[in-house]
Amino acid sequence: NAGVTQTPKFQVLKTGQSMTLQCAQDMNHEYMSWYRQDPGMGLRLIHYSVGAGITDQGEVPNGYNVSRSTTEDFPLRLLSAAPSQTSVYFCASSYTDLTSYEQYFGPGTRLTVT
Amino acid sequence: QQPVQSPQAVILREGEDAVINCSSSKALYSVHWYRQKHGEAPVFLMILLKGGEQKGHDKISASFNEKKQQSSLYLTASQLSYSGTYFCGTEIYGGSNYKLTFGKGTLLTVNP
Repeated sequence: NAGVTQTPKFQVLKTGQSMTLQCAQDMNHEYMSWYRQDPGMGLRLIHYSVGAGITDQGEVPNGYNVSRSTTEDFPLRLLSAAPSQTSVYFCASSYTDLTSYEQYFGPGTRLTVT
Repeated sequence: QQPVQSPQAVILREGEDAVINCSSSKALYSVHWYRQKHGEAPVFLMILLKGGEQKGHDKISASFNEKKQQSSLYLTASQLSYSGTYFCGTEIYGGSNYKLTFGKGTLLTVNP
């Protein structure tokens, strides 16, 4: 079991560039989510999905797009990167009911936008 | 609304105890605790549900005070491995059970 994997580990973008952060899990979890972590801010939810074809916005969705075509994969797209999107991005997965089940986090992607 | 964690940071010597609090202005349905070591991903510790139950494993336990909308994490006889940042994540009563709102974290440092 690889758990939750994320690629790339590090990325530097110029303002205005686009890119996709990849996330995959092999635990057959229905729920997947993306968080960003900034110094002193904790973890903030960007988008989440409760199954293939179903996504919804979290706390800070602006500037990010997601789609979920399979149970395993949940990519995060930055359409036009801005310096404010410099952050560490974590993908997580869980069984659908967050109330009762833990989230498993990937190792993170450190993104710098110049 | 983001829960408030206190203290922001705490330094202990090995073997000492610590309490980390997580408070919300809204009625809570559940509180989730995670620990994150520097440069690593957050790792799950425990979930407490509405009802005021107390949970624990090893020397780390937690309580949920429904009346105060507060959860406390207790670390007893701390070990060096307890060092890291502790986050609470909250589910609001009546809100979505697909969204956790995390606090800003409490940095715990355990020295020899």
